[in-house]
Amino acid sequence: DAGITQSPRHKVTETGTPVTLRCHQTENHRYMYWYRQDPGHGLRLIHYSYGVKDTDKGEVSDGYSVSRSKTEDFLLTLESATSSQTSVYFCAISERKAGGSNNEQFFGPGTRLTVL
Amino acid sequence: DQQVKQNSPSLSVQEGRISILNCDYTNSMFDYFLWYKKYPAEGPTFLISISSIKDKNEDGRFTVFLNKSAKHLSLHIVPSQPGDSAVYFCAASEVGGSARQLTFGSGTQLTVLP
Repeated sequence: DAGITQSPRHKVTETGTPVTLRCHQTENHRYMYWYRQDPGHGLRLIHYSYGVKDTDKGEVSDGYSVSRSKTEDFLLTLESATSSQTSVYFCAISERKAGGSNNEQFFGPGTRLTVL
Repeated sequence: DQQVKQNSPSLSVQEGRISILNCDYTNSMFDYFLWYKKYPAEGPTFLISISSIKDKNEDGRFTVFLNKSAKHLSLHIVPSQPGDSAVYFCAASEVGGSARQLTFGSGTQLTVLP
């Protein structure tokens, strides 16, 4: 299994509070991603990173920010949590193969976030 | 509008028989397709992939078929085993871009009955 951990694994918070989720990898992969999984929607990309301090928005980025100050850590922040952000959040990593071919993403175990 | 669609939310199959999971896509720029399996309370795990230059890829009991003209792919599992019971997601990525973002379908819950 790829060395990816997420913390916390479960969190309950109240509307309006800030929340930070952490993804940590030991694979030294360049690319990191944050997804949310909701019933009927599969996994939707929130933000991704293509290197230290290099990040970009995904499909559902509103209300979220990210930071990557080290290769191994990718943080997802909800500045002011809302009930619509109740979800399961997954981090993923990937690396470009030699020759620039496509690559698979490997996922962490997930964080279940409940916003009351 | 969903670019990757899995129209069957659930599928039940008898142990030992074939499971066929289907996926349709609308974006002609997708050039790489993947299947992931997900057990409850775990992250998705990569299962098998196929490039758009191929129409079939096999890995043990798992085979993925790609029909580019129909914008359709399918995952065949033969023979199905109870341990295959999980949610299966298809995903696609687009030509160009360095980060190879994936677009996922909504998933199909496969139940293999003993």
